[in-house]
Amino acid sequence: SQQGEEDPQALSIQEGENATMNCSYKTSINNLQWYRQNSGRGLVHLILIRSNEREKHSGRLRVTLDTSKKSSSLLITASRAADTASYFCATPHYGNNRLAFGKGNQVVVIP
Amino acid sequence: DGGITQSPKYLFRKEGQNVTLSCEQNLNHDAMYWYRQDPGQGLRLIYYSQIVNDFQKGDIAEGYSVSREKKESFPLTVTSAQKNPTAFYLCASSTGTAFGEETQYFGPGTRLLVL
Repeated sequence: SQQGEEDPQALSIQEGENATMNCSYKTSINNLQWYRQNSGRGLVHLILIRSNEREKHSGRLRVTLDTSKKSSSLLITASRAADTASYFCATPHYGNNRLAFGKGNQVVVIP
Repeated sequence: DGGITQSPKYLFRKEGQNVTLSCEQNLNHDAMYWYRQDPGQGLRLIYYSQIVNDFQKGDIAEGYSVSREKKESFPLTVTSAQKNPTAFYLCASSTGTAFGEETQYFGPGTRLLVL
């Protein structure tokens, strides 16, 4: 079953604005990952944050993890048209040694 | 170039026909995965393999079959028993050293359509 659930599902913003999306999960985890998928393409790994990290940065990306609330957020700063994509969170599915992906957030950046 | 390749990009299946989707990786990864993605949906795991000659069912294995005879290859067969096969199929791989905590590397996908 899918553990990660992103919120909101779809977001439309102007170029230069920030985009924030959230992911919640149900069971305790050691880490959480975020992936991006451009339309009709495979997923690309963006960032992994561990349970002992509260915040992590990678370029214009900022990820937070709140293990007490079982939630994570992905912030894209100064968005560009090229950031138009779907963004998925993924959590470990320890019972079967694999990842469980959320349903994704669709982000549209308007030039 | 290192990476994962999937072929074909588009595949058409006639009713009652079995079709095979190819997935090859040259990343020397032990683990490989097959996912199905329906429009506007997330990824659902079909099958995964942690090592050569071994594989496990995922959440939606019915109507699908796989083999893992070589480390580099993990083909997926969509059988005639899969009554709703139209979807985007993604193959991925990971090192296999820390299952559930690894980055997965994805291929470009195969879109399967039913004639």
